Amino acid sequence: DQQVKQNSPSLSVQEGRISILNCDYTNSMFDYFLWYKKYPAEGPTFLISISSIKDKNEDGRFTVFLNKSAKHLSLHIVPSQPGDSAVYFCAASAGSSNTGKLIFGQGTTLQVKP
Amino acid sequence: DAGITQSPRHKVTETGTPVTLRCHQTENHRYMYWYRQDPGHGLRLIHYSYGVKDTDKGEVSDGYSVSRSKTEDFLLTLESATSSQTSVYFCAIRLEQGWNTEAFFGQGTRLTVV
Repeated sequence: DQQVKQNSPSLSVQEGRISILNCDYTNSMFDYFLWYKKYPAEGPTFLISISSIKDKNEDGRFTVFLNKSAKHLSLHIVPSQPGDSAVYFCAASAGSSNTGKLIFGQGTTLQVKP
Repeated sequence: DAGITQSPRHKVTETGTPVTLRCHQTENHRYMYWYRQDPGHGLRLIHYSYGVKDTDKGEVSDGYSVSRSKTEDFLLTLESATSSQTSVYFCAIRLEQGWNTEAFFGQGTRLTVV
């Protein structure tokens, strides 16, 4: 059973526009959420995170929104740049376990067209 | 790159042979993880370690074993490789800087079982 789901395998946007990547989760014990970016032949790199006590976290062009009641989070990239083209994974953890284990979604491939 | 080195980076092996992948870190982190990445599944946790000789199973541990005899090295062993273990394997470490912390990943090992 997939506890973290990214239902859009791919997304294509024009350079300069907003990219919105979505993620849903089912486990109410998750209290910390992360987004990773992955280029081909490289390891995932950490992008941004949010704790369940917040509903928004910003870092430059990247903003993550969390809607706990809907068990939904989204990553907004504004403005999108061609270098943002990559696979994006959302991940969740249950902090109370203190193991740092992450549950990942399937990933969304973002293509930003010049 | 958080001082993580995975070896080998690529390996082709035959069904039924044993294979060991190595993860080496230089920064004395307590927590280390092995994930595998497969299309349609994102990244899934195989095993993790929370100290020397302290390990535990993840989501997809069947067919895998791990060992951690030194803080800096976390080994993943496929006792008898099968074609279903063809995958990209990522090692990760956790920065313990609070209650919830991010994982940082190595460059990955692409394993093909023929």
